[in-house]
Order: sequence, then structure tokens, then C-alpha cells
Amino acid sequence: GGIITQTPKFLIGQEGQKLTLKCQQNFNHDTMYWYRQDSGKGLRLIYYSITENDLQKGDLSEGYDASREKKSSFSLTVTSAQKNEMAVFLCASSPTGGAAEQFFGPGTRLTVL
Amino acid sequence: GDSVTQTEGPVTLSEGTSLTVNCSYETKQYPTLFWYVQYPGEGPQLLFKVPKANEKGSNRGFEATYNKEATSFHLQKASVQESDSAVYYCALGPDTNAYKVIFGKGTHLHVLP
Repeated sequence: GGIITQTPKFLIGQEGQKLTLKCQQNFNHDTMYWYRQDSGKGLRLIYYSITENDLQKGDLSEGYDASREKKSSFSLTVTSAQKNEMAVFLCASSPTGGAAEQFFGPGTRLTVL
Repeated sequence: GDSVTQTEGPVTLSEGTSLTVNCSYETKQYPTLFWYVQYPGEGPQLLFKVPKANEKGSNRGFEATYNKEATSFHLQKASVQESDSAVYYCALGPDTNAYKVIFGKGTHLHVLP
């Protein structure tokens, strides 16, 4: 088996601040995802990557950047934190594409003061 | 575009009663359908998936049938337990993009002892 680790577990920032969330997986999966989870809105895709150094925008990419410098890691940057984007950010990985199971990390909860 | 609609929560049941969480979908593709479950403080995890129409998936007493004609994938359990309290997500993948999965908004289930 494998595991997905997300750091930090809780992230507190000031409005306008640039913040980075990190994700590591040891499944050796090719595809990785970042989702934003808001209460009552489900999971919305921010970015995904199908291999090292690949980046693809999801439906909610505005205000975010991503980086996949290694196969095992995928980071997400909030370019200018806003109070209305307090949410849980979930990282996931998958061996292939959309018909395969996704394995999720425990999430990073973002609070913006 | 593709979409998933599921029962709005929260759903509150007493232990031992039956559960149905409705899930309907729209797509022009031939997707795999998923049910994920998310326990407090954790990321979602796969409950089961069904890749083919008219087949049934099941796990831990939960089951759902991929009904292509009705475009439905309703989750059922005959007798819920307090430990089933969680958020349940219906999902379809892939959509027109081979790597994307569309998640429903989630249904929060509370089971009272």
C-alpha cells in the first residue's frame, strides 16, 4: 500500500499573502490532483498533473499556481489569499486517468485572517 | 457539460434503518461510476466503483446499480450503523477529459444510536 501526505495540516495566513501547500505520494502514481472542498459544494478541481513537470488547469484554477517537479510531489500555491477561499484543500493521486480510483490525502485546512 | 446530482443532506437516520442516497448523472460519455466515503478528519476513500452499465457494485453492506437507461446510481444499505456516519460522494469519470472526475456535492449522513 501507499500513503499521501499533505503539509501543513492547518495553514493560517493573512489576506493577500502567498501561501504554499505541499503533497507527497509514495504510490508511484503518474496522475495527481488538487481539489478544493467547501461545505455544500463538493470537490472542485483546481489543478491536475498527468506526469512530472506537467500541469493542467481545472475548473477553479484562477488565483492558484501549481508545481510538479518530481513524480512523487505536487504543490499548490495560493497566489493572494482571500477570506472567501477558506476551505479544505485535498490532494489525490491515481495510477491512470479518470476511470481509476483516486487516493486522497487528509487535507490542509486553510484559514485566512 | 457532465454533471452529478445527489441527495442534499444532511440525512439523519436511526441505527438499523435503511438508507437510500439518490445519484443522477448527465454525460454523453460511457463513464465509470463511483461512490466515495469521507469520515471526519480524513480524505475521501473509494467505497466501490462500477465500470459497466447494468452492473452492481457493493462494499461493507452498501450497494448501487449502474442504471444507464435512468442515468442513476443510487446508494443503498439495508441497515445502517452509527459508524456509517460520514459524507458520501457520487462521482463519474472520466468526462470529456480523460483525466477528470466529476464529483457530486456530497451527502452528509448522521446515524443516531
